[in-house]
Amino acid sequence: NAGVTQTPKFRILKIGQSMTLQCTQDMNHNYMYWYRQDPGMGLKLIYYSVGAGITDKGEVPNGYNVSRSTTEDFPLRLELAAPSQTSVYFCASSPPGTSGSYEQYFGPGTRLTVT
Amino acid sequence: QKEVEQNSGPLSVPEGAIASLNCTYSDRGSQSFFWYRQYSGKSPELIMFIYSNGDKEDGRFTAQLNKASQYVSLLIRDSQPSDSATYLCAVSRPGTASKLTFGTGTRLQVTL
Repeated sequence: NAGVTQTPKFRILKIGQSMTLQCTQDMNHNYMYWYRQDPGMGLKLIYYSVGAGITDKGEVPNGYNVSRSTTEDFPLRLELAAPSQTSVYFCASSPPGTSGSYEQYFGPGTRLTVT
Repeated sequence: QKEVEQNSGPLSVPEGAIASLNCTYSDRGSQSFFWYRQYSGKSPELIMFIYSNGDKEDGRFTAQLNKASQYVSLLIRDSQPSDSATYLCAVSRPGTASKLTFGTGTRLQVTL
C-alpha cells in the first residue's frame, strides 16, 4: 500500500492563479481531510469528507473548495490564490469509526508559496 | 483559552533520559487522544492513541490520560537523538467524523 499520496510536493503560484492539490489514498478509508500548517500554528482543518459525494467545511475553508467523487481521491482546489494561502498542506485519511474516533494517516504534504 | 495547549519548548533532554511531554484540552466531551511525531519538513506520524484513563505503553512510549484533569501526556524512555522532533497532541470527540483538533506541538531536543 502506498498509503496517502499527494501531488505536487512543491508549487509556487502567482497571486490570483488557481490550482488543484491532489490527494489519493489506497487504504479504502471513508474519511478524508485537508489541513494546512503554518509555522508555529499547528494544523488547521480546511475541509473533510466522510465518503464519496459528501464534504463539509472545517475550521478554515475560505478560499478553498473540495470534491469527493470516489473513495480514493479528495482534491483541494484553490481559486484566486492569495499570499495568506502560503502554507504546507496535508491530506489525511481515517477508517470510519462505529463509535469514538480513529487515527488519521497523513500524506507527505504540498508546500505552496503564493507570491 | 486554546482548545489544545502544549508548551512549544524546546524541551531539551540528555540521551538516555525520560522525556515528558504534556498536553491539556478544554473540551470535556473529548474522548480520543493522539500523539503524532513530526520531523522538520515531514508529515505527522502517529505514535500512539489512548481512549481510557490511565497509562498505555508501546515500546519506549507511554501515553497517560487523566480525563478529570483534562490532561494527556507522552513519556519517552531512553530518549535517543532520533527522537528529536516536534510532538503534536490531538483530541477528538465522538460523532465528529474523527476530526482532530491539534495543539501547536512541543519541540523535543535530545542531546548527546
